[in-house]
Amino acid sequence: GNSVTQMEGPVTLSEEAFLTINCTYTATGYPSLFWYVQYPGEGLQLLLKATKADDKGSNKGFEATYRKETTSFHLEKGSVQVSDSAVYFCALYTRGSNYKLTFGKGTLLTVNP
Amino acid sequence: EAGVAQSPRYKIIEKRQSVAFWCNPISGHATLYWYQQILGQGPKLLIQFQNNGVVDDSQLPKDRFSAERLKGVDSTLKIQPAKLEDSAVYLCASSFGVAGKSTDTQYFGPGTRLTVL
Repeated sequence: GNSVTQMEGPVTLSEEAFLTINCTYTATGYPSLFWYVQYPGEGLQLLLKATKADDKGSNKGFEATYRKETTSFHLEKGSVQVSDSAVYFCALYTRGSNYKLTFGKGTLLTVNP
Repeated sequence: EAGVAQSPRYKIIEKRQSVAFWCNPISGHATLYWYQQILGQGPKLLIQFQNNGVVDDSQLPKDRFSAERLKGVDSTLKIQPAKLEDSAVYLCASSFGVAGKSTDTQYFGPGTRLTVL
């Protein structure tokens, strides 16, 4: 089956610090990979995605590269802001799972001014 | 473009009571999903509809949970009777394509936070 393991939180950073949230996966078949973000009191929003090996997804200064050889999709941002404080979820789906999203447990990021 | 709508946003009930949640997907989206998100965990799929047919309900506790999507548009998820462990956020999502033939993005609603006392 499909599973996602992501870095345990919480993560606390100062503004302008570098962010990495690790994500690794196992999948039956060829997955598409996603990062979703959940701001306080809001629903999940797609942050970025990658659908094939070596693709780089990017949005709002965040990046993640689909690494098939290490089965990883780590989220990075060069300089975080207070407004980036949220819970970040790594997720995947495969055609064999009817495109059902399988999520990691989420990582709480707090950015202090 | 309007997003996925859900109601109510919050619900508090006592165990053994019944509760229903409503979801209106983005207009034109064929596929609708209900996820359960327990505190501290990632969302878990309960049921997936393609138009008004069920694609996957393998993780739906059918002895107490039911869902329908009449006319292939909006959907309701019901719990009867509720248990303490049903306390969670219930998320609805939709995507444009037909399951099994597309890899569209899933768009999520704000969720309904259920507390069972």
